[in-house]
Amino acid sequence: AQSVSQHNHHVILSEAASLELGCNYSYGGTVNLFWYVQYPGQHLQLLLKYFSGDPLVKGIKGFEAEFIKSKFSFNLRKPSVQWSDTAEYFCAVISSTTSGTYKYIFGTGTRLKVLA
Amino acid sequence: NAGVMQNPRHLVRRRGQEARLRCSPMKGHSHVYWYRQLPEEGLKFMVYLQKENIIDESGMPKERFSAEFPKEGPSILRIQQVVRGDSAAYFCASSLFRGSTDEQYFGPGTRLTVT
Repeated sequence: AQSVSQHNHHVILSEAASLELGCNYSYGGTVNLFWYVQYPGQHLQLLLKYFSGDPLVKGIKGFEAEFIKSKFSFNLRKPSVQWSDTAEYFCAVISSTTSGTYKYIFGTGTRLKVLA
Repeated sequence: NAGVMQNPRHLVRRRGQEARLRCSPMKGHSHVYWYRQLPEEGLKFMVYLQKENIIDESGMPKERFSAEFPKEGPSILRIQQVVRGDSAAYFCASSLFRGSTDEQYFGPGTRLTVT
């Protein structure tokens, strides 16, 4: 079965530290990959997405992610985090189904806490 | 343009009662998805609906759970005879089109607590 793994469940960083959150997926075909963020008390918002082309994707708020096909990875990075980046981050892949539809498969999420 | 709306935001039910969760998609969106988030777990796909049709319910428990998206009005996720294990956050998302590159827009979720 297709799956998405986020190995870091909780991350604590100080402001200005660099961030890298891991995401690995298990799917051999064409993938469309997403990172979503959920700030405390808010709904999920799209950070960035990768469909094709340049494997280094720039998102909002200074986030970027790199698609490495050989490693089945789509890690999220930010050079210098801020207190306002405290949130939960979800990696997701769109998977095709046998009925011809598409659905998201989400990772378990990583809770990031940034200390001021 | 209002985003995806869900209500109620918090719902408390006793074991055996029914829970009804509502989702109004973004204006113009006719594709609705329901997800469940259990503590310490990611979002799990439950069901995908278009107006008046269930397209994919492969993630729905076989019993007690049902979903609909009528021609008029919001999409409803119904849980009958709730049990403690149903306590979770339920998120609804909508999209404009159906396809592998379509961004889904999420609502704020309904947090169901079964006592």
